[in-house]
Amino acid sequence: GESVGLHLPTLSVQEGDNSIINCAYSNSASDYFIWYKQESGKGPQFIIDIRSNMDKRQGQRVTVLLNKTVKHLSLQIAATQPGDSAVYFCAEDYGQNFVFGPGTRLSVLP
Amino acid sequence: DGGITQSPKYLFRKEGQNVTLSCEQNLNHDAMYWYRQDPGQGLRLIYYSQIVNDFQKGDIAEGYSVSREKKESFPLTVTSAQKNPTAFYLCASSLTFVGGRTQYFGPGTRLLVL
Repeated sequence: GESVGLHLPTLSVQEGDNSIINCAYSNSASDYFIWYKQESGKGPQFIIDIRSNMDKRQGQRVTVLLNKTVKHLSLQIAATQPGDSAVYFCAEDYGQNFVFGPGTRLSVLP
Repeated sequence: DGGITQSPKYLFRKEGQNVTLSCEQNLNHDAMYWYRQDPGQGLRLIYYSQIVNDFQKGDIAEGYSVSREKKESFPLTVTSAQKNPTAFYLCASSLTFVGGRTQYFGPGTRLLVL
């Protein structure tokens, strides 16, 4: 299928290991953050979100951590599976603007 | 089965031709958006609509036009003025336009120039 990001940073992990994908956001006034998963040739899929009044939020096999001091967001995927292979990108929302990061390609090795 | 649909999946444009990309949602969302995605870059906002019969330019509106005559539909026209239209186009919607809104995306349309 088509590649949505030919020159993205790539994270390679062994199947069953945990993955950590990082994102630096730009605006200290951003108050809402989302992680999306995008498979090749498809639209982005919502994974998990977090508001600025929280430091951590957990979903099914995923955890998002927010460090407002250094404007950093991370997505942790537990027990990574082959179906997790995709491009992951964060989005920050500060009022009337949504800014999307370029993404990280996650490659799961058998 | 609620969601956002985009058509066609692939679209080919000839030199000097206008083409229209379709976006429909049945989520009863007020706000809709069009983004352009190029390799290695984040999504860039083309146009957005907060409510029916209203739309605003985004960061890269030149060479594009939209309409929002119905709540469910937000078609994007790529005009001949857009000199580099080859990209993956994504439509999204959110319940409202106020802060803290989650945007949900369609499957995308890939536009290629012949």
